[in-house]
Amino acid sequence: QVHLVQSGAEVKKPGASVKVSCKTSGYTFTTYHMHWVRQAPGQGPEWMGMINPNGGSTKYAQSLQGRVTMTSDTSTSTVYMDLSSLRSEDTAVYYCARVALYSSSWGLGALDFWGQGTMVTVSS
Amino acid sequence: EIVLTQSPATLSLSPGERATLSCRASQSVSSLLAWYQQKPGQAPRLLIYDASYRATGIPARFGGSGSGTDFTLIISSLEPEDSAVYYCQHRSNSIAFGQGTRLDIK
Repeated sequence: QVHLVQSGAEVKKPGASVKVSCKTSGYTFTTYHMHWVRQAPGQGPEWMGMINPNGGSTKYAQSLQGRVTMTSDTSTSTVYMDLSSLRSEDTAVYYCARVALYSSSWGLGALDFWGQGTMVTVSS
Repeated sequence: EIVLTQSPATLSLSPGERATLSCRASQSVSSLLAWYQQKPGQAPRLLIYDASYRATGIPARFGGSGSGTDFTLIISSLEPEDSAVYYCQHRSNSIAFGQGTRLDIK
């Protein structure tokens, strides 16, 4: 069965960076794009971007361009999301989510499996 | 950038009733729209993809319709466990989510 297991909660100061990991199992890692979605307290989900683990190509949300970097490690079937220059508005739960192949084109699609979420708190 | 607007913001209904949730796109997304259910402390759960197809394991009381700019999620006979926030999401030229509809089952 498909599992996405994320790293633990983080507390960071403004201006710092955070790196969240998402270790996958139960499927062929390089076949599915992986997406990152964040959700601030009481808000709707916000799409951050995606990575194709087969080659590492990425597409990021315009609002985060220059601050977000997504990478993948095929040897451990793990994807990473790095967010820099953190500010208080980045406080949120961060999720990795796998694209549903049956509902996708060019990596954009519905998201059928999600990690458990990682709380990132930015506070001085 | 395509914006999704959901209505109503909150819906309060009784078990057995029918719920109708709306999602409107600022420009056409064809049928490239999904619906999710989210309960407190949990990740979103995919219900409907490509406007009208139920995801694996989703009960038949959940149904989706629409195309272009107007979409509807219908829950035909509410169960207490359907209390949650529901989000729509498009995958047209990027990905974006609506702001959600909170469904309370009283």
